Amino acid sequence: KAGVTQTPRYLIKTRGQQVTLSCSPISGHRSVSWYQQTPGQGLQFLFEYFSETQRNKGNFPGRFSGRQFSNSRSEMNVSTLELGDSALYLCASSEAVFNYGYTFGSGTRLTVV
Amino acid sequence: AQSVAQPEDQVNVAEGNPLTVKCTYSVSGNPYLFWYVQYPNRGLQFLLKYITGDNLVKGSYGFEAEFNKSQTSFHLKKPSALVSDSALYFCAVREGQTGANNLFFGTGTRLTVIP
Repeated sequence: KAGVTQTPRYLIKTRGQQVTLSCSPISGHRSVSWYQQTPGQGLQFLFEYFSETQRNKGNFPGRFSGRQFSNSRSEMNVSTLELGDSALYLCASSEAVFNYGYTFGSGTRLTVV
Repeated sequence: AQSVAQPEDQVNVAEGNPLTVKCTYSVSGNPYLFWYVQYPNRGLQFLLKYITGDNLVKGSYGFEAEFNKSQTSFHLKKPSALVSDSALYFCAVREGQTGANNLFFGTGTRLTVIP
C-alpha cells in the first residue's frame, strides 16, 4: 500500500497570503487528522475528518480550516498567514472511527516570510 | 484533560548499551499509548502502541515499551542501541474508545547514540 502523501513538501508564502495543503490518506483509510509541529509548541492537533465530516477540532483560530472529499483526501487551508504559522504540517490517516494506529505523512514545511 | 510528559529533552547513550526514553501520561479513562520516531525533515514513524493486554509491548526495530498503570508510565526501551537509532522520539496518548479521536504528544526526546 502507498503511504500517506502530502503535497507540496515545501512552501514559502508571504504574510497575509493564504495557503492550501493536501493530504491523500492510505487507501481504505477514512479518518484524516492534521497536526502542526513547531519548535516552540511541539505537536498540536488541528482537526480530524471522518467521512467528510469534521469530528474534532483543536485550539486554533478560525484562519485554519479544512475539508475532506468523498475519496477521503483532505485539504487544510490557512488564510491571512502570519509569521507564526511557519511550521511542519503533518497529516495522519487511520482506518476506523476508533483509532488503533495512525500513519503519518512526511509533512509540508510551510515558511511564512 | 490528557497530557504527556517526556522529562528528558536529550538522552545520550553509547552504541551497544541499553537505552530508555521516559514517558508519563495523564488521561481520564483508559489510555491508548503510542511511540513515534522522527528523523530530520521527515514525518513521524510509528514504533509501537499499547491498547490493552500484555503490559510489555514489542514494536519495530527492536524497541519495546512497558505500560505501568500505577506509575502512569510508558517508557521506551531497547536492549542494545544503534547509531541509526539517533532521532527524535515522541510519546503520545489518547483516551480510550470514549475519548476524542486525536493524539496528545509529549515534547519529544532527542536520542543520540554515540559510536
